Amino acid sequence: EAQVTQNPRYLITVTGKKLTVTCSQNMNHEYMSWYRQDPGLGLRQIYYSMNVEVTDKGDVPEGYKVSRKEKRNFPLILESPSPNQTSLYFCASSSGRGGTQYFGPGTRLLVL
Amino acid sequence: GQQLNQSPQSMFIQEGEDVSMNCTSSSIFNTWLWYKQDPGEGPVLLIALYKAGELTSNGRLTAQFGITRKDSFLNISASIPSDVGIYFCAGFTGTASKLTFGTGTRLQVTL
Repeated sequence: EAQVTQNPRYLITVTGKKLTVTCSQNMNHEYMSWYRQDPGLGLRQIYYSMNVEVTDKGDVPEGYKVSRKEKRNFPLILESPSPNQTSLYFCASSSGRGGTQYFGPGTRLLVL
Repeated sequence: GQQLNQSPQSMFIQEGEDVSMNCTSSSIFNTWLWYKQDPGEGPVLLIALYKAGELTSNGRLTAQFGITRKDSFLNISASIPSDVGIYFCAGFTGTASKLTFGTGTRLQVTL
């Protein structure tokens, strides 16, 4: 089954404690991206990747890092989480820039 | 970053009614996408539009890419309870690969 998986689905952490949210897709997609969703603000793109070793900033990249060492994986790293990074995070992938984006189930993060 | 203004923010309609929502931008977009998000799920693509003036249907859903390339609308005809959710417009500008989302329209359907 074609899918995007994210782990963990729920995470509670404390300020400053590094964390990684994993994202994996099994569709051999080149394009992957991370979004955060906050009430009243819709989805905002954090980072995206056009292919392996090719990443670029989205609209809200501050406080986040990503890497794309393999085509199927695109982890989101928060080196020093802060409470304003409390949000619902989605990973997505598509075969190309304008292709159908498949979204993962979301990761709900609470930073205390 | 880019801003997409989506309206209305929320709608409460009766089953069977038609629904219309739209998205506008101050910048030109070369791709418009419409997504639906069910509670607890990620967004799912409904319709993709690639050319100015394009009108595309998907069942009871119809979307159009505005002639000015700065707007798009989505219509839902004869709404049913499973249409409940949040609808998002999204788009790509120029050669950019960033996908910008609107703020969403929350649709509630009453029996």
